[in-house]
Amino acid sequence: DAGVTQSPTHLIKTRGQHVTLRCSPISGHKSVSWYQQVLGQGPQFIFQYYEKEERGRGNFPDRFSARQFPNYSSELNVNALLLGDSALYLCASSLRGASGSTDTQYFGPGTRLTVL
Amino acid sequence: GQNIDQPTEMTATEGAIVQINCTYQTSGFNGLFWYQQHAGEAPTFLSYNVLDGLEEKGRFSSFLSRSKGYSYLLLKELQMKDSASYLCAPTGYGGATNKLIFGTGTLLAVQP
Repeated sequence: DAGVTQSPTHLIKTRGQHVTLRCSPISGHKSVSWYQQVLGQGPQFIFQYYEKEERGRGNFPDRFSARQFPNYSSELNVNALLLGDSALYLCASSLRGASGSTDTQYFGPGTRLTVL
Repeated sequence: GQNIDQPTEMTATEGAIVQINCTYQTSGFNGLFWYQQHAGEAPTFLSYNVLDGLEEKGRFSSFLSRSKGYSYLLLKELQMKDSASYLCAPTGYGGATNKLIFGTGTLLAVQP
């Protein structure tokens, strides 16, 4: 079975540009979460989507947005890129996403974004 | 508030046993995950504890004490490939979210 897939693998952008990152969850999983991991730190929660609805948002500015499609794939959009947005962006999928859910989150390989 | 505390780095010898401790404070709690992350790769799931006690899975075991806000990951018969970062991640409520809250992780170096 295919795991979580993300595209692109690597991306280089310049300040002020816009970027779209894509994620396909494990087949049968309905929840997708996005995390940002800066070098030397643990992943930081950005968004969670379940059944195409936003179920949670981390402490990130409005430049960050996301959506989930009917096939449960997801996009993360970042506008007006800053140097500090350079990071590994991880997508994780789980069966459900409701509060109290103990479903394991499985991570994709990530997209490494470099902002110059 | 939310706070996760793990040692930053640890060193151990191949074949030995190592225990990585984690203390946490979260505004909501519904279990604790341990993930392994090799440099430049995504985190991979190791274990999940929701009840107090020890969960054993092969060479890896994880312990949880909810009342103390404490967990540890025990790695036995260390192998060189176990050199990685180990992330303690309690789950926390944020509205309807079952988000993972990560600390900075513990970088384990296994030496011959």
